[in-house]
Amino acid sequence: GAGVSQSPSNKVTEKGKDVELRCDPISGHTALYWYRQSLGQGLEFLIYFQGNSAPDKSGLPSDRFSAERTGGSVSTLTIQRTQQEDSAVYLCASSLSPWLKYFGPGTRLTVL
Amino acid sequence: KQEVTQIPAALSVPEGENLVLNCSFTDSAIYNLQWFRQDPGKGLTSLLLIQSSQREQTSGRLNASLDKSSGRSTLYIAASQPGDSATYLCAGREVGGSEKLVFGKGTKLTVNP
Repeated sequence: GAGVSQSPSNKVTEKGKDVELRCDPISGHTALYWYRQSLGQGLEFLIYFQGNSAPDKSGLPSDRFSAERTGGSVSTLTIQRTQQEDSAVYLCASSLSPWLKYFGPGTRLTVL
Repeated sequence: KQEVTQIPAALSVPEGENLVLNCSFTDSAIYNLQWFRQDPGKGLTSLLLIQSSQREQTSGRLNASLDKSSGRSTLYIAASQPGDSATYLCAGREVGGSEKLVFGKGTKLTVNP
């Protein structure tokens, strides 16, 4: 079966531009997570969606970051006015059980 | 605040060796601990998940242990192969309703033929 997919796989943008990253979770998975992996750093939690509950946004680093999940499925992470420090690999994960999370291949974002 | 540390940061071994990767966490109130494998340019693949009530899990040549009292987990890889070369990440899920995982920075393993 299909796993978690993310698009684009690579994104190069100029400082100050807005970007949108997409995540398609595994069908039927109620939970969806976004993480960020910066060079030399561990994965950093950004945001978590569970069903129709209010998302846990506690990991978003600034108000330039936002995410939405439409229809309980696809999610979009938006970064406004990108900065060079936003360069990282953005990973999406989904899960059905509270425990086992399945990760997508990530989107590598480079801000010039 | 939970912090996860992995030692060593990098490890190079000859093919066939048995090896241990270490993971330590600061808060023993951990719900579960998961080991992942990350290959260059790819996402994370879950290897083993240990619930807080368990002490170890095994899958093939992999064995992961969890000692909450000491704040440690180990991943044991038997008879290593070049295909095991990857970065291995451990992550703990905190108790308290939060679903987020706290990750270590990983151990980059190279198995030389």
